Amino acid sequence: EIVMTQSPVTLSVSPGERVTLSCRASQSVTNNLGWYQQKPDQPPRLLIYDASTRATGIPARFSGSGSGTEFTLTISSLQSEDFAVYYCQQYKNWPRTFGQGTKVEI
Amino acid sequence: EVQLLESGGGLVQPGGSLRLSCAASGFTLGSYAMTWVRQTPGKGLEWVSSINAGGGSAYYADSVRGRFTVSRDNSKNTLYLQMNNLRADDTALFYCAKPINGWSPFDCWGQGTLVTVSS
Repeated sequence: EIVMTQSPVTLSVSPGERVTLSCRASQSVTNNLGWYQQKPDQPPRLLIYDASTRATGIPARFSGSGSGTEFTLTISSLQSEDFAVYYCQQYKNWPRTFGQGTKVEI
Repeated sequence: EVQLLESGGGLVQPGGSLRLSCAASGFTLGSYAMTWVRQTPGKGLEWVSSINAGGGSAYYADSVRGRFTVSRDNSKNTLYLQMNNLRADDTALFYCAKPINGWSPFDCWGQGTLVTVSS
């Protein structure tokens, strides 16, 4: 099983700041990596797939990078609606696995 | 509008069974592999099972293999998860999810159905 490790667990930031979230895979997933955003009482929303491609309707302030085992989600200027939990997920191998999440809070 | 609507959750005793359903609308279910993901209240996401578009291939997490069975009826645009021999640690919100295409990540999720396993 590929273990996905996200850091930090919690990130305290202010609106307007640039935010960088990390996701590390225990073995290479090439670029088969997605990022999700989840707000309270809502299902996850896909932000990024194939490590760096924004999903439909996702604002340009969200960007993804990386390949192999190291990945990054960057929010260029944090908006109030971006406070949420962010998860990475690999879809290279079975079982599919998610990171434990990073909570972005004020 | 692409939508997924889960149903069938509820309170069940340990060792009991439940069958979850996921009704798809706004797209042709039979054109997509589909997946079940669960989330323990207040915790993270856990992939449970996936099934290919035709229903001939299925994959399971080790934690549910042998107890859960995923299936689909494309003529009814519905995905199912039969859950047997339920345990307390199966308590979770169960989501069905649709990929962008193939086995890609999930661009559409339902609102989830809550399964509580308790005596």
